[in-house]
Amino acid sequence: NAGVTQTPKFQVLKTGQSMTLQCAQDMNHEYMSWYRQDPGMGLRLIHYSVGAGITDQGEVPNGYNVSRSTTEDFPLRLLSAAPSQTSVYFCASSSRLAGGQETQYFGPGTRLLVL
Amino acid sequence: AQSVAQPEDQVNVAEGNPLTVKCTYSVSGNPYLFWYVQYPNRGLQFLLKYITGDNLVKGSYGFEAEFNKSQTSFHLKKPSALVSDSALYFCAVREHNYGQNFVFGPGTRLSVLP
Repeated sequence: NAGVTQTPKFQVLKTGQSMTLQCAQDMNHEYMSWYRQDPGMGLRLIHYSVGAGITDQGEVPNGYNVSRSTTEDFPLRLLSAAPSQTSVYFCASSSRLAGGQETQYFGPGTRLLVL
Repeated sequence: AQSVAQPEDQVNVAEGNPLTVKCTYSVSGNPYLFWYVQYPNRGLQFLLKYITGDNLVKGSYGFEAEFNKSQTSFHLKKPSALVSDSALYFCAVREHNYGQNFVFGPGTRLSVLP
């Protein structure tokens, strides 16, 4: 299994540009999430999905869109990039166990710089 | 609302000495607690989790953590630190049956000095 994969590894954008961060998992996990990691702030949840066709907002959803057309893929779209979106983005997936005790598996991350 | 605190930004320890990375949490119900480690330029890797039962949880790479309900803490420990343990450590909490959302602490950078 490849686990959770993310592309690209690094991206530079200009303010106002749009782009899509790709995330895929091959573990047939129902749950997928997007986090951003900023120094001193840990990981903050952007959007998540509990299954194909179902998405919901996390703690910091503004400026980002997601969709989940398949179990495997969960792309994150930046609509109009801003310097405040400079961050490291992590995708995670987990299977659905009773009560929420499942472990999340993380991708290697995408480092985004917005100029 | 759920929250996680890691009171130390940085922990330094000499190789061979015991290490502790502290975590306290706040949830309104029963917690599920997790520790993850992040090596430079890598994603987070799962170390261990507390779901229920024995308060002392053993995980990967010789790490263990003790759940203390009265102190709402879940400190990560290792009896003998290795230089290769140097990394960023995150504590996370999810409230039982709360659904998807994990809440992560800000992270503690562990440096093990040779």
